[in-house]
Amino acid sequence: HSGLTQAPSASGTPGQRVTISCSGSTSNIGSNSVNWYQQLPGTAPKLLMYDNNQRPSGVPDRFSGSKSGTSASLAISGLQSEDEADYYCAAWDDSLNGAVFGGGTQLTVL
Amino acid sequence: QVTLRESGPALVKPTQTLTLTCSFSGFSLTSSGMCVSWIRQPPGKALEWLALIDWEDDKYYNIEMKTRLTISKDTSNNQVVLTVANMDPVDTATYYCARIVIAETGTNFGLDVWGQGTTVTVSS
Repeated sequence: HSGLTQAPSASGTPGQRVTISCSGSTSNIGSNSVNWYQQLPGTAPKLLMYDNNQRPSGVPDRFSGSKSGTSASLAISGLQSEDEADYYCAAWDDSLNGAVFGGGTQLTVL
Repeated sequence: QVTLRESGPALVKPTQTLTLTCSFSGFSLTSSGMCVSWIRQPPGKALEWLALIDWEDDKYYNIEMKTRLTISKDTSNNQVVLTVANMDPVDTATYYCARIVIAETGTNFGLDVWGQGTTVTVSS
């Protein structure tokens, strides 16, 4: 498997801060920017973060992104029930000459 | 307003070739920086990137599926077509197309607009 690595699940209580991590290599995260997608049940994915830490218009500032070396993180502060979704990281891979996704993290709001 | 919509058969038989069409509006694939990607998602599984075509007609493929994939564009009709040869039951998935914008600076603005997806089942 040549994709990015994410923990399969994460959880938090309302109001809490949760971090979702994404691990890659020098050919993908180490060389290129990371994007994050949120997929609510039964819907198409939605762009949540681009260029490591940039929020598209309409995405609340509760969501933030960061990258260091060959890893990236998505943080959600002030967790809300509507944040319950699957979250995917993605990056271009120079060795594969193509994009790669992480395996996704299912976030549960307890 | 940018929109994309996938279309294609809901059911294909093993060994057949799948042809999917992505019809889009609100942007032109001849404009600098514009690209369209295909992504799929098997039931209950993760997203998998398949292919990308850009404004210069450069094409990029998932290395593990490269021999089976062909992406092309019809700029006059604002469509991108993906063919997947030799379909197998493991190719059963929802197939999405999405726009991606790459700035001249190289900034990747991400898959910012997605279609609703089209579900394809491979079964005899």
